[in-house]
Amino acid sequence: EDQVTQSPEALRLQEGESSSLNCSYTVSGLRGLFWYRQDPGKGPEFLFTLYSAGEEKEKERLKATLTKKESFLHITAPKPEDSATYLCAVRRGGADGLTFGKGTHLIIQP
Amino acid sequence: GAVVSQHPSWVICKSGTSVKIECRSLDFQATTMFWYRQFPKQSLMLMATSNEGSKATYEQGVEKDKFLINHASLTLSTLTVTSAHPEDSSFYICSALTRTSGIGTQYFGPGTRLLVL
Repeated sequence: EDQVTQSPEALRLQEGESSSLNCSYTVSGLRGLFWYRQDPGKGPEFLFTLYSAGEEKEKERLKATLTKKESFLHITAPKPEDSATYLCAVRRGGADGLTFGKGTHLIIQP
Repeated sequence: GAVVSQHPSWVICKSGTSVKIECRSLDFQATTMFWYRQFPKQSLMLMATSNEGSKATYEQGVEKDKFLINHASLTLSTLTVTSAHPEDSSFYICSALTRTSGIGTQYFGPGTRLLVL
């Protein structure tokens, strides 16, 4: 059974304080690891797709990396508007549906 | 680009009634759409995969007779919760798959919050 575990569950940072969010996964035939951002009461917003170990993607203050067992979302010099829940998901081999982790609730304090 | 809408955003209904939720891809065609459910402080759980012109594929434990899915066009999928009960109260989110690159990306709608009284 596919499993996605995210840590920490919640993280509170000061504005400008960089950190990393972790996503550990167990899946047969990984066909993509996805990062989404979800604001309260909204649907997830797509951030990145990673396909193979060693791959990195960047967007503004966010950088996602992938190994064979886990992915990291690095947040550099975050701002209050980066506060959200960050979701990690994997696409199962042979299927299109996504298996999501429970997310990391990130709060950036001014 | 890649905008997905849902309607309604909020619905309150009495126990035993049916509720229909629409999911539309506004600026692209999607042969495949997905329906997820999210309970408070829980992860998104895949309910079913909706393919245009064919029957939906349901995840284990999801009652296909209770959650009716129709994907009648390349831009519209509907989820009907039949004979809703309070335990069906949840946040329902759809996504649409684009295949412009690689294996494709799922773009999500804003969600529909259902409250069954």
